[in-house]
Amino acid sequence: SQQGEEDPQALSIQEGENATMNCSYKTSINNLQWYRQNSGRGLVHLILIRSNEREKHSGRLRVTLDTSKKSSSLLITASRAADTASYFCATDAGGYDKVIFGPGTSLSVIP
Amino acid sequence: DGGITQSPKYLFRKEGQNVTLSCEQNLNHDAMYWYRQDPGQGLRLIYYSQIVNDFQKGDIAEGYSVSREKKESFPLTVTSAQKNPTAFYLCASSPQLSYSNQPQHFGDGTRLSIL
Repeated sequence: SQQGEEDPQALSIQEGENATMNCSYKTSINNLQWYRQNSGRGLVHLILIRSNEREKHSGRLRVTLDTSKKSSSLLITASRAADTASYFCATDAGGYDKVIFGPGTSLSVIP
Repeated sequence: DGGITQSPKYLFRKEGQNVTLSCEQNLNHDAMYWYRQDPGQGLRLIYYSQIVNDFQKGDIAEGYSVSREKKESFPLTVTSAQKNPTAFYLCASSPQLSYSNQPQHFGDGTRLSIL
């Protein structure tokens, strides 16, 4: 079973709209990271949020973490066509020095 | 600019053949990793290395081998024992091995297919 799973699997929105992706995990974590992957490319790190943090911002990105619900969300505001990509959450398994990636959310932003 | 270079971008393997994927970094990172990505799935860890001449198996090491003779280089060999090698292979690095609290930097991948 996956430590982290994103929801929805795929999301299609119009340019200018906000996009929200969720990540749920099973065991307690120390940190959670979000990455973006453009088609055929490597992953790019977006944000790291620690278990004692509830919210972090980076430009148009906002990440929240609710450890009581074992979930995180990534909000992209005022989306652009260039935001079209797959988005992955990555968690540690609490006590292990290992990062586990979820299957990702595929985001399409239509111009 | 510092980064990770993977080559080749596309690779084809014949039956019974071993192939080697190259990964070079100039970020001065100690830790390096190899992941396999299948369509619609997340990344699965093949091997990782925290220092020169040391490496550890990840979750799916069978049919793969690595070496770490230089800090900058972490090549992955896909052996003939790997019966389903078709996938997208990603190399990554981080300053130290405690990478649960550190971002990983990724190369742009090698897509391996069977002829």
